Amino acid sequence: GENVEQHPSTLSVQEGDSAVIKCTYSDSASNYFPWYKQELGKRPQLIIDIRSNVGEKKDQRIAVTLNKTAKHFSLHITETQPEDSAVYFCAANYGQNFVFGPGTRLSVLP
Amino acid sequence: GAVVSQHPSWVICKSGTSVKIECRSLDFQATTMFWYRQFPKQSLMLMATSNEGSKATYEQGVEKDKFLINHASLTLSTLTVTSAHPEDSSFYICSASRETGNGYTFGSGTRLTVV
Repeated sequence: GENVEQHPSTLSVQEGDSAVIKCTYSDSASNYFPWYKQELGKRPQLIIDIRSNVGEKKDQRIAVTLNKTAKHFSLHITETQPEDSAVYFCAANYGQNFVFGPGTRLSVLP
Repeated sequence: GAVVSQHPSWVICKSGTSVKIECRSLDFQATTMFWYRQFPKQSLMLMATSNEGSKATYEQGVEKDKFLINHASLTLSTLTVTSAHPEDSSFYICSASRETGNGYTFGSGTRLTVV
């Protein structure tokens, strides 16, 4: 089955700096990779996603890159703000299901 | 966008009782819904896939007789935790998608505490 790894598990950055979270997956058949942001006690919210037919996607301060050959994808957040502090989960589709990474707790320090 | 409603948002129950959690797709029909469990500071773990009009598909290690799933309509799936025990205390969350293969929308989650 699919296995998704995610690093780092925790990340602290100064406000205004960039943050990068990396994920790897094992199933070469996976072709859809969403990223979710989960604030404490709340539901995960989809923030960006990428399909296997593109290598990069950007939405304002958030971007995602995908390397299908190496089976890894990354989330990039630029000009971080305190409200970016949350747990971020990457995921890869596996059939009609999704397998989630273990999460990265991002802390943006003012 | 797709909206998924989940109720209740939190529930406290006594050991041995059963709790029902509802997941509704408000503005779309969902042939398939997913149920996850999330323990504190951990990732989302898929429990089962709920298919409208047929039996749910459970992940390995999830007891189907303990976690009853019913998907009687295209907009409603229910998860019933039967004979709940303290170790069942967790955050249960459902998800659904307007289109298969796209980013799924999560319900607001249900925090279950069994005392």
